[in-house]
Amino acid sequence: DAGVIQSPRHEVTEMGQEVTLRCKPISGHNSLFWYRQTMMRGLELLIYFNNNVPIDDSGMPEDRFSAKMPNASFSTLKIQPSEPRDSAVYFCASSSRGASYEQYFGPGTRLTVT
Amino acid sequence: AQSVTQLGSHVSVSEGALVLLRCNYSSSVPPYLFWYVQYPNQGLQLLLKYTSAATLVKGINGFEAEFKKSETSFHLTKPSAHMSDAAEYFCAVSERGSTLGRLYFGRGTQLTVWP
Repeated sequence: DAGVIQSPRHEVTEMGQEVTLRCKPISGHNSLFWYRQTMMRGLELLIYFNNNVPIDDSGMPEDRFSAKMPNASFSTLKIQPSEPRDSAVYFCASSSRGASYEQYFGPGTRLTVT
Repeated sequence: AQSVTQLGSHVSVSEGALVLLRCNYSSSVPPYLFWYVQYPNQGLQLLLKYTSAATLVKGINGFEAEFKKSETSFHLTKPSAHMSDAAEYFCAVSERGSTLGRLYFGRGTQLTVWP
């Protein structure tokens, strides 16, 4: 099992540019989660999907952030336009049905906006 | 919504000493409970979880945690710290009966191990 796959692992971009982060969940998992981690704010849940449907996007900081899950094996998190304060590590995680099932995290994408 | 409190954002111990990382939850119905570890520049990985069986749960790398309903706690312990245990540790809960798999994380505790 390849685990949760995220790409790119590192992204450096200039303020104002569009950034797209990608995630491939573990096959068979039906929930997918996007997190952001910073020193100041810790680990924050941005949005999560169940069966490809967004369930709660209340953690998305602004309209500049959007996420999609067009099918069970792929999700994107887009920031447009990007700002320096978006610099963080973004994690994707997936889990099977049920509250007793743990989430499996990807290695993260380290985003730097200059 | 669930709430998780991790007392102590930083804990320092000497190599060979007992490790105790505290976690308390707020819920009228005992949730499912998890401990995750994050090593530098890596994602979070599961250490152990409590779902409904034995209240003392053993995990990887010699860690264990005990669910205490009366204290709404799920503290993580390890009898003897190793240098390799230096990492950030997160406690998390999920709601019984939910099929969505959402976890509510604490703020994390950074563990430093001194030689």
